[in-house]
Amino acid sequence: EVQLVESGGDLVQPGGSLRLSCAASGFSFSDHYMDWVRQAPGKGLEWVGRIRKKGNSYTTEYAASLKGRFTISRDDSKNSLYLQMNSLKTEDTAVYYCARVKGTADFDLWGRGTLVTVSS
Amino acid sequence: DIQMTQSPSSLSASVGDRVTITCRASQGISNYLAWFQQKPGKAPKSLIYAASSLQSGVPSKFTGSGSGTDFTLTISSLQPEDFATYYCQQYNSYPLTFGGGTKVEI
Repeated sequence: EVQLVESGGDLVQPGGSLRLSCAASGFSFSDHYMDWVRQAPGKGLEWVGRIRKKGNSYTTEYAASLKGRFTISRDDSKNSLYLQMNSLKTEDTAVYYCARVKGTADFDLWGRGTLVTVSS
Repeated sequence: DIQMTQSPSSLSASVGDRVTITCRASQGISNYLAWFQQKPGKAPKSLIYAASSLQSGVPSKFTGSGSGTDFTLTISSLQPEDFATYYCQQYNSYPLTFGGGTKVEI
């Protein structure tokens, strides 16, 4: 089955760190760019960032407001995508989704999401 | 950043109705526009890419149109499973940005 499964969401204190994972299965993970998108409770969707594939040197793009605190990486040997989040703030509380990019453009597959709660 | 503005933010409709949602970009994005459907507590589902192309498996009752700055999503003959929130997204340039969403309610 073609799917993405996020994990690693948790309750963390402000200023803390957390690493999210996204496990891909059923397709050739290494052939795709991958993105993270988040959604705060009761709010809309917010793009977090992108990592390109090996042929594009695994380069990354980030939302400006998150750059420097969040880092996207991948391990093609494990069919896994990661989001390292540092210096977490209460406003980072959200469900975090990973999404597969079709070509170099739009999303065609989403995971079910993992909840990150930043609170003291 | 390109701002995406959806209207209306919510609408009430009945089963069988034809519904149109509008999305406007703050600058031209050619046809680099996608639409997503999201039901409560669920992940978004990709419906349309390149403004008017259906993702695989998406029924033809969903129609997208537009280019440049103005886009529409039309749902013909609304069914109970179509009541959800719909988002547009531009992927013309970074950062990728989403519209604020349109909630389609009974």
